[in-house]
Amino acid sequence: DVKVTQSSRYLVKRTGEKVFLECVQDMDHENMFWYRQDPGLGLRLIYFSYDVKMKEKGDIPEGYSVSREKKERFSLILESASTNQTSMYLCASSQPGTGRYEQYFGPGTRLTVT
Amino acid sequence: SQQGEEDPQALSIQEGENATMNCSYKTSINNLQWYRQNSGRGLVHLILIRSNEREKHSGRLRVTLDTSKKSSSLLITASRAADTASYFCATVRAYNNNDMRFGAGTRLTVKP
Repeated sequence: DVKVTQSSRYLVKRTGEKVFLECVQDMDHENMFWYRQDPGLGLRLIYFSYDVKMKEKGDIPEGYSVSREKKERFSLILESASTNQTSMYLCASSQPGTGRYEQYFGPGTRLTVT
Repeated sequence: SQQGEEDPQALSIQEGENATMNCSYKTSINNLQWYRQNSGRGLVHLILIRSNEREKHSGRLRVTLDTSKKSSSLLITASRAADTASYFCATVRAYNNNDMRFGAGTRLTVKP
């Protein structure tokens, strides 16, 4: 089974802090994704990466950056956390080119910025 | 921006009843998927239906797709309390397999 792990389940940070959320997958997937989930808004794509060191902006990249130095690890960085970034953050991975498009999700990190 | 929109936003039924959730979307798609999310957890893939398919079954799940109406439905038959969760549809756009968009979800409560 594919396993996607996220570094923290719950995180509390102060406004202005730099925040790192890490995601690791163990199935050698090429694609990795970061979403945020807010009530009534569903999942919104922040960034995705289709290869090491490659990234593309999603729908809401402002205030975030990402890093993918190794295939299995995809980090989301909040350069200067703000209260409107309080949310659930979900990481996912998928393998393109196999005809299987489903994404495998981690358990999520609930981030609170105070 | 969201692609899929689920309807209803919330659904409450008794154990043993069937649950139907609907999803509408806006653009041409390669496939549509349904996911389940238990409270406060990650999403789990349930079923995928391709744009050239009209109906698909998996256990107690039945998914239909009408590309002319840009809509899909998920039917859960003989529901159980353990089916209580949020259900999301996600569409993968035609010509860009990396572009998958989720709807806001339907919250299903199955009462024992």
